[in-house]
Amino acid sequence: SQTIHQWPATLVQPVGSPLSLECTVEGTSNPNLYWYRQAAGRGLQLLFYSVGIGQISSEVPQNLSASRPQDRQFILSSKKLLLSDSGFYLCAWSVGGINEQFFGPGTRLTVL
Amino acid sequence: QKEVEQNSGPLSVPEGAIASLNCTYSDRGSQSFFWYRQYSGKSPELIMSIYSNGDKEDGRFTAQLNKASQYVSLLIRDSQPSDSATYLCAVNSGGFKTIFGAGTRLFVKA
Repeated sequence: SQTIHQWPATLVQPVGSPLSLECTVEGTSNPNLYWYRQAAGRGLQLLFYSVGIGQISSEVPQNLSASRPQDRQFILSSKKLLLSDSGFYLCAWSVGGINEQFFGPGTRLTVL
Repeated sequence: QKEVEQNSGPLSVPEGAIASLNCTYSDRGSQSFFWYRQYSGKSPELIMSIYSNGDKEDGRFTAQLNKASQYVSLLIRDSQPSDSATYLCAVNSGGFKTIFGAGTRLFVKA
């Protein structure tokens, strides 16, 4: 069965510090991978998606970036965090043309 | 801009009742429709997918789709306190971008 991991679970960072969040998927090959952010009381905002190694599509211009160095690894980064980057970051996967997405446990980021 | 609208709630129903959650979407070309359940502090969990007009039943859950009215709903029969959560409606128009509603909070009173 497929499993998706995210770490860390929670993170408190000062403004201006760098960020690296990691997501890995097990039990499937060539998944589509997604990064979402959920602000308090808000819907999910798609940040990036990837259909393969090195292929990244950005949905929202911001100070975040994403990379996919391996088939089942997806990384979200920032060089300098802003207060507005606080939120619940979710990684998700899907396969093929099926749009059902399955979410990891998430990382709750607080920028102070 | 493509939108998915949900009543934020909270929707409060007594235990054993039917909970009815509704969602409207703006893109007539939408093809795939999903309901996710999200417990407080947790990530969303897919509970139903529906792709064609009509009803789809899975246990206590029934998803209903009406593409002409651009409307999708989720019925939860015999509601339990453990069903208390936020329910997210999600819509895909093809491609990789799925639009999520902000969710409806459901509270089932014991």
